[in-house]
Amino acid sequence: DTGVSQDPRHKITKRGQNVTFRCDPISEHNRLYWYRQTLGQGPEFLTYFQNEAQLEKSRLLSDRFSAERPKGSFSTLEIQRTEQGDSAMYLCASSGTGGRYEQYFGPGTRLTVT
Amino acid sequence: AQKITQTQPGMFVQEKEAVTLDCTYDTSDPSYGLFWYKQPSSGEMIFLIYQGSYDQQNATEGRYSLNFQKARKSANLVISASQLGDSAMYFCAMGAYNTDKLIFGTGTRLQVFP
Repeated sequence: DTGVSQDPRHKITKRGQNVTFRCDPISEHNRLYWYRQTLGQGPEFLTYFQNEAQLEKSRLLSDRFSAERPKGSFSTLEIQRTEQGDSAMYLCASSGTGGRYEQYFGPGTRLTVT
Repeated sequence: AQKITQTQPGMFVQEKEAVTLDCTYDTSDPSYGLFWYKQPSSGEMIFLIYQGSYDQQNATEGRYSLNFQKARKSANLVISASQLGDSAMYFCAMGAYNTDKLIFGTGTRLQVFP
């Protein structure tokens, strides 16, 4: 059983470009989460899916951000027209259902916008 | 609104000694879960321990135990027999029953010295 994987691990882009990140959850997990972590802070919730349905979005997720989870498996997070303030670590997590619902995180994608 | 407070930016402990990392929380939800995660310099968030709000006993996982005091709204992490590999950032987090997102504190950097 493999853990949560994310691709790419690092991304450097110029301001105004679009970027897309991918997350592959633990195979039997039907819930998938995206968080953003800036330096010196804890992760902040962005959005979450149960299967293919996007059930909650944070107000942090501006119109430039979009997330999808087609077929309820992997997920993508796209940022359009990147800004320097988007520079952060983007973390993906997954969890199962029922009872305790600890989330298991991937290694993250570090985005640097120049 | 939910909130997690970690008041210790940094802690030092000698190898083989025990250390307590503080966490207080605020929520109006009657049902919630409390989590601790470890984040080494590599960046991945590693799940350590979970405590449900209705659990009668404090949670333990190997060298980790959670000192849960519901009336004081505190959920301190105790690491026994510290090891050099325990040096990392530690985050306390909370999830409520009606939402799957986790709210994180700002973290405590633990350094274990020989």
